[in-house]
Amino acid sequence: SYELTQPPSVSVSPGQTARITCSGDALPKQYAYWYQQKPGQAPVLLIYKDSERPSGIPERFSGSSSGTTVTLTISGVQAEDEADYYCQSADSSGTWVFGGGTKLTVL
Amino acid sequence: EVQLVESGGGLVQPGGSLRLSCAASGFTFSRHEMNWVRQAPGKGLEWVSSINSGGSAMYYADSVKGRFTISRDNAKNSLYLQMNSLRAEDAAVYYCAREYCSGGSCYGGSDYWGQGTLVTVSS
Repeated sequence: SYELTQPPSVSVSPGQTARITCSGDALPKQYAYWYQQKPGQAPVLLIYKDSERPSGIPERFSGSSSGTTVTLTISGVQAEDEADYYCQSADSSGTWVFGGGTKLTVL
Repeated sequence: EVQLVESGGGLVQPGGSLRLSCAASGFTFSRHEMNWVRQAPGKGLEWVSSINSGGSAMYYADSVKGRFTISRDNAKNSLYLQMNSLRAEDAAVYYCAREYCSGGSCYGGSDYWGQGTLVTVSS
């Protein structure tokens, strides 16, 4: 079955740039989405269609795509950005898949 | 204000059944594909099922296919998940989530999620 692979953890100091990758064979053909989830809360959609930001999402969150890898970039990381981040995509039959999640630690 | 409120979770024995509901308000429910996503304690997100806006097309994760049934009632602004033959590995918080749509177009992904309902499977 289709899989998306994320690093389990990423650490960054406040004000620095964090990059979280997500790899999958279908990503060149299917859009990717990114979510942020804080403990005890529902996920929040950060990025849709690889690089678009819904209204209300800060500009420091951006997405990009290159081949089989998509990347979530958080510029000027703040303490409040410490959370779990998930990528999500779909296969050609309409079924979804999530990456395993990446825990972002702000040092 | 968009609201999604799940209900119907609880403790069930292995092999038992539960029906989850999701009450939607604050948006035109019938225009959005809807999804169920679950999260086992301390684990990541797992997609469970999706249904298109009209209720004519349903999709399931392999892990629940043949046991779970998604449905919706657009007149009641409600989404459902009938879960049969429950297993220990089905224990999780179940979220309903709506497809992200803006300006008359829909883009996939989910922009609003409920707070989830907990399903515990244990004897």
